[in-house]
Amino acid sequence: ELKVEQNPLFLSMQEGKNYTIYCNYSTTSDRLYWYRQDPGKSLESLFVLLSNGAVKQEGRLMASLDTKARLSTLHITAAVHDLSATYFCAVLSTGGTSYGKLTFGQGTILTVHP
Amino acid sequence: DTAVSQTPKYLVTQMGNDKSIKCEQNLGHDTMYWYKQDSKKFLKIMFSYNNKELIINETVPNRFSPKSPDKAHLNLHINSLELGDSAVYFCASSPQGFSYNEQFFGPGTRLTVL
Repeated sequence: ELKVEQNPLFLSMQEGKNYTIYCNYSTTSDRLYWYRQDPGKSLESLFVLLSNGAVKQEGRLMASLDTKARLSTLHITAAVHDLSATYFCAVLSTGGTSYGKLTFGQGTILTVHP
Repeated sequence: DTAVSQTPKYLVTQMGNDKSIKCEQNLGHDTMYWYKQDSKKFLKIMFSYNNKELIINETVPNRFSPKSPDKAHLNLHINSLELGDSAVYFCASSPQGFSYNEQFFGPGTRLTVL
């Protein structure tokens, strides 16, 4: 069964600093997604990574995927308060009996403070 | 324009009752999902339908029964509600089957069982 683990689970950052959230997964897949969730809100799609070596950037966020290491990173550059939210990675099962199932990590609660 | 909508947004009910949550998407997607998010924010898939056909059915009590009258709607009926059913339930949809699978989430339904 596919397992997805994020770390850290809690991240308190100062504005202007850089940091990286890591997403490890246990079985082969080349489909990984990052979502953002604000308190009491729905999930907003941030990045779709569909192949080994994929890198996508949007504003202060950059996501990458290394399928050989089964690792994705979400890098935050010069954090601002507006980035405070919970970030989830999710991995798509691309084989076996779980084909098509999206498994989420535990989420990383990011707080950016002055 | 609402892409994925759910009703109701909040649902408070007594143990033992039966309730339904409705979901509609106007994105023209073929695949729809139900997820449960628990109090620790952990997200887990419950069901997936593709073109009205059930394709993912996780280990969910059979008190939960999804129904898809057409590919734009996926409803969730819950019988004999229990305290442990309290959670936020998200509906989602995605295009192009599983090859791409970026999922778009509804606003969620917060179910509280008393």
